[in-house]
Amino acid sequence: SQTIHQWPATLVQPVGSPLSLECTVEGTSNPNLYWYRQAAGRGLQLLFYSVGIGQISSEVPQNLSASRPQDRQFILSSKKLLLSDSGFYLCAWSVTYEQYFGPGTRLTVT
Amino acid sequence: SQELEQSPQSLIVQEGKNLTINCTSSKTLYGLYWYKQKYGEGLIFLMMLQKGGEEKSHEKITAKLDEKKQQSSLHITASQPSHAGIYLCGADAGGTSYGKLTFGQGTILTVHP
Repeated sequence: SQTIHQWPATLVQPVGSPLSLECTVEGTSNPNLYWYRQAAGRGLQLLFYSVGIGQISSEVPQNLSASRPQDRQFILSSKKLLLSDSGFYLCAWSVTYEQYFGPGTRLTVT
Repeated sequence: SQELEQSPQSLIVQEGKNLTINCTSSKTLYGLYWYKQKYGEGLIFLMMLQKGGEEKSHEKITAKLDEKKQQSSLHITASQPSHAGIYLCGADAGGTSYGKLTFGQGTILTVHP
């Protein structure tokens, strides 16, 4: 069966520090991968979308970037965090129509 | 861009009662997803609907998509405390937006024993 992992589960970082969040999927090949952010008052918003290794689409302009170095690995990064980057970051995967989410990473920027 | 509106925003029911959550789209839906979320946790996939008039059930939860594919409802029969959480509908606009989901603001469900 397929599983999706995200780490770390929680993270507290100061403004201006770098960020790296990781997502890995097991039990499937060639998945579409997604990064979403859930922020207070703003709902759940798609940030990045990838259909394959090295193929990244950004959905909203922001201070973040994403990379997909391996088929089942998706990384969310920032060089310098802003207070507005705080939120709950969710990775998701799909092969057909159904889309499944990971457990999320709670990021607090102080 | 596609917008989804969920109603009600919050719902408090007594255990055993039936309830319905609605999700309305500003555009025709290619796919409509229902998820459940416990606070601070990831989303649990419930159901996905694609065809106009489609209805799916899982245990005590039934989801329907109207014929025009712009409105969906989620119905819980004989609610239990385990049904409590945040219910989110998500829409897939299809075409070049395939797989890129837009979500409603969520409905917070509380079930009192």
